Amino acid sequence: EPEVTQTPSHQVTQMGQEVILRCVPISNHLYFYWYRQILGQKVEFLVSFYNNEISEKSEIFDDQFSVERPDGSNFTLKIRSTKLEDSAMYFCASSSGGSRRVFHEQYFGPGTRLTVT
Amino acid sequence: GNSVTQMEGPVTLSEEAFLTINCTYTATGYPSLFWYVQYPGEGLQLLLKATKADDKGSNKGFEATYRKETTSFHLEKGSVQVSDSAVYFCALSDRTDSWGKLQFGSGTQVVVTP
Repeated sequence: EPEVTQTPSHQVTQMGQEVILRCVPISNHLYFYWYRQILGQKVEFLVSFYNNEISEKSEIFDDQFSVERPDGSNFTLKIRSTKLEDSAMYFCASSSGGSRRVFHEQYFGPGTRLTVT
Repeated sequence: GNSVTQMEGPVTLSEEAFLTINCTYTATGYPSLFWYVQYPGEGLQLLLKATKADDKGSNKGFEATYRKETTSFHLEKGSVQVSDSAVYFCALSDRTDSWGKLQFGSGTQVVVTP
């Protein structure tokens, strides 16, 4: 069964450093998402991406964050200068559709745990 | 804005017990409602969904009914198994103001003992 994969499973970085979290969505999916979960808190939406551009983003997704689909398979989340409060589990998801009218199931990866020290 | 509230865990049960996890929501539009499950070391998996009022979602013995009058979507299972031990997330997607983003509750850990 196709699945979303994420690497690395755990990333430790120092405050101020750049990190790139990688995701390989399901191959025929067109819509991509990043969510995060700070320990003990809710899973929060960060950004959605379609047709090589951001379709929606949350207030969390400020100028320090960026997303990219550099080739036909990877979908990356970059944090330019990490802060302590960026420590969280980051989940990637993909779906075959993302319209306002019809629900398309989002398939999630296992997550990357980011620890900023 | 929209939000989802679910009961805190952990919920500890014996095998074959009845499970209920409460979930209530606030939404300005016409949300679809979901339950996701996360098994240890894995990603979130869609367990069931309901897209309009009075719909009942069901899967793997779990059920939840979309109650607009009480703004609730409680998850139930009549007889749990050890393999049901996981974290369960209630979520909504408001089709009137988003392109598919999911808004989650805080998750409820369920522990089923033999």
